[in-house]
Amino acid sequence: AQKITQTQPGMFVQEKEAVTLDCTYDTSDQSYGLFWYKQPSSGEMIFLIYQGSYDEQNATEGRYSLNFQKARKSANLVISASQLGDSAMYFCAMREGQGTLGRLYFGRGTQLTVWP
Amino acid sequence: NAGVTQTPKFQVLKTGQSMTLQCAQDMNHEYMSWYRQDPGMGLRLIHYSVGAGITDQGEVPNGYNVSRSTTEDFPLRLLSAAPSQTSVYFCASSYRDRWRTEAFFGQGTRLTVV
Repeated sequence: AQKITQTQPGMFVQEKEAVTLDCTYDTSDQSYGLFWYKQPSSGEMIFLIYQGSYDEQNATEGRYSLNFQKARKSANLVISASQLGDSAMYFCAMREGQGTLGRLYFGRGTQLTVWP
Repeated sequence: NAGVTQTPKFQVLKTGQSMTLQCAQDMNHEYMSWYRQDPGMGLRLIHYSVGAGITDQGEVPNGYNVSRSTTEDFPLRLLSAAPSQTSVYFCASSYRDRWRTEAFFGQGTRLTVV
């Protein structure tokens, strides 16, 4: 079974609008971390935001926020006020457990296109 | 502060050739790993290391070898290249014992096996 599921291969949003990218995860561990990365067409992986399993509040980083619903095992990324430069592939990832700290499981990604 | 440095950025190999992808980090991270990225598949873990002298297999280790003789370096060796190994390869590093730390990625190596 996949540990990270991203069900939206592609998403489109108009500039200045908000968009939500979905991510669900599967783990039996109580301690885990969730990450979102952005990959523009140039190919590098850019860290966006982190949410820990014990964090009581949703993480926010500028225009990025993470809608963390622990009971549903979802960690959706919300981008507010989209910009043309937000067009990229977005990956959700999870780090779990104590024995393999550092190992990340990735979803298949969502290609976001922002249009003017 | 260079972060994670991967070389080369592009490589074309013939089937059966061997090569080494280099990865170096200057952040004193204990944990280093190699991923491959294929279209529609996300990033899949090939091998990882939790410190010098310690390596282990990830999801897709076949056809690849690694070693970790120093904290800084984590090379990935392709023993006998096959077209199925055509992919983009990423090296990443992070602290081992800090939950809030993100993984830092290299720029990637685009490998084509013909």
